[in-house]
Amino acid sequence: EPEVTQTPSHQVTQMGQEVILRCVPISNHLYFYWYRQILGQKVEFLVSFYNNEISEKSEIFDDQFSVERPDGSNFTLKIRSTKLEDSAMYFCASRLGVETEAFFGQGTRLTVV
Amino acid sequence: RKEVEQDPGPFNVPEGATVAFNCTYSNSASQSFFWYRQDCRKEPKLLMSVYSSGNEDGRFTAQLNRASQYISLLIRDSKLSDSATYLCVVRPTGGFKTIFGAGTRLFVKA
Repeated sequence: EPEVTQTPSHQVTQMGQEVILRCVPISNHLYFYWYRQILGQKVEFLVSFYNNEISEKSEIFDDQFSVERPDGSNFTLKIRSTKLEDSAMYFCASRLGVETEAFFGQGTRLTVV
Repeated sequence: RKEVEQDPGPFNVPEGATVAFNCTYSNSASQSFFWYRQDCRKEPKLLMSVYSSGNEDGRFTAQLNRASQYISLLIRDSKLSDSATYLCVVRPTGGFKTIFGAGTRLFVKA
């Protein structure tokens, strides 16, 4: 069964450093997402990506964040100048069409120390 | 008013019980609705989509009331393995953003 894969599963970084979280969405999917979940809190939408550009972003997704789809398979989230409060689980998701459900990767746990 | 609101629970039920979760959403232009389940420290996994006419999948029944902007999930004959957090998810018409409720925690006891 096709799945969304994320690497690494756990990333520890020092405050102020840049991190890149990687995702390989399901191959024929067209819509790609990043979500964040701080421990004990709700899943929060960060950004959606369609047709090689950002289609929608939340107020959380400020200049500290950027996304890229550098080739036909990878989808990355870059976080610059990480802060302690960026510590969270980051989920990538993809979906095929307008009305279809999203499938999630297993997440990357980011710990900023 | 929160965009998607759920009873946080927790719901503690014995095996075999029937349990119902409710969810309300504020954007009347919402188009697509889903229930996901999330196990502790795992990714959300789709449980079922919610259709206007209501739909059933085994022990699970989902209902949508557009007039009241309300979604429900009914679980019959609860199993220990149903213990998880149930997430109500809403997407507006023509929108990309998918909005999650905070989730309802369910504990099924032997």
